[in-house]
Amino acid sequence: EPEVTQTPSHQVTQMGQEVILRCVPISNHLYFYWYRQILGQKVEFLVSFYNNEISEKSEIFDDQFSVERPDGSNFTLKIRSTKLEDSAMYFCASSSPGTSGTDTQYFGPGTRLTVL
Amino acid sequence: DAKTTQPPSMDCAEGRAANLPCNHSTISGNEYVYWYRQIHSQGPQYIIHGLKNNETNEMASLIITEDRKSSTLILPHATLRDTAVYYCIATYTGRRALTFGSGTRLQVQP
Repeated sequence: EPEVTQTPSHQVTQMGQEVILRCVPISNHLYFYWYRQILGQKVEFLVSFYNNEISEKSEIFDDQFSVERPDGSNFTLKIRSTKLEDSAMYFCASSSPGTSGTDTQYFGPGTRLTVL
Repeated sequence: DAKTTQPPSMDCAEGRAANLPCNHSTISGNEYVYWYRQIHSQGPQYIIHGLKNNETNEMASLIITEDRKSSTLILPHATLRDTAVYYCIATYTGRRALTFGSGTRLQVQP
């Protein structure tokens, strides 16, 4: 069964450093998403991406975040200058148009980002 | 998206049916009810979704009341591997940002 994959599974970085989290969405999917979950808290939406553009973003997704689909298979989340509070699990998801206008999002296993 | 309300925790005996309720009294006519679960800190796993009719797949059944103000996710024969946090989400389409609440922590007991 096709699945979303994410690399690395765990990333440790120093505060102020740039990190890039990588995702390979399900191959025929057209919509891509990033979510994050700070330890012990809710899963929070960051951004959605379609047709090489951001289609929706949350207040969390400020100027230090960016997303890109550099090729036909990868979808990346870049954090330019990491802060301690960016430590979290980051989940990538993808979806494709379904019947009756519904799109079901399928999530990857996540990348645990630790900022020291 | 409509707000959903779920009990914070539930227990279920292994092999028995787990019935997880969700209240979405302000749901609008074209909002779907989606269910996901999260095992430990893994990525949320899609379970099932529905609009008006009851739905069943290989994982679970979804029963939506006629007035659509509440629904129940049924895991017919719960196993220890079903221990997870279950999220009920009301949304116009799965393409939008999903708003995860606190969910129901289901503990399946041996």
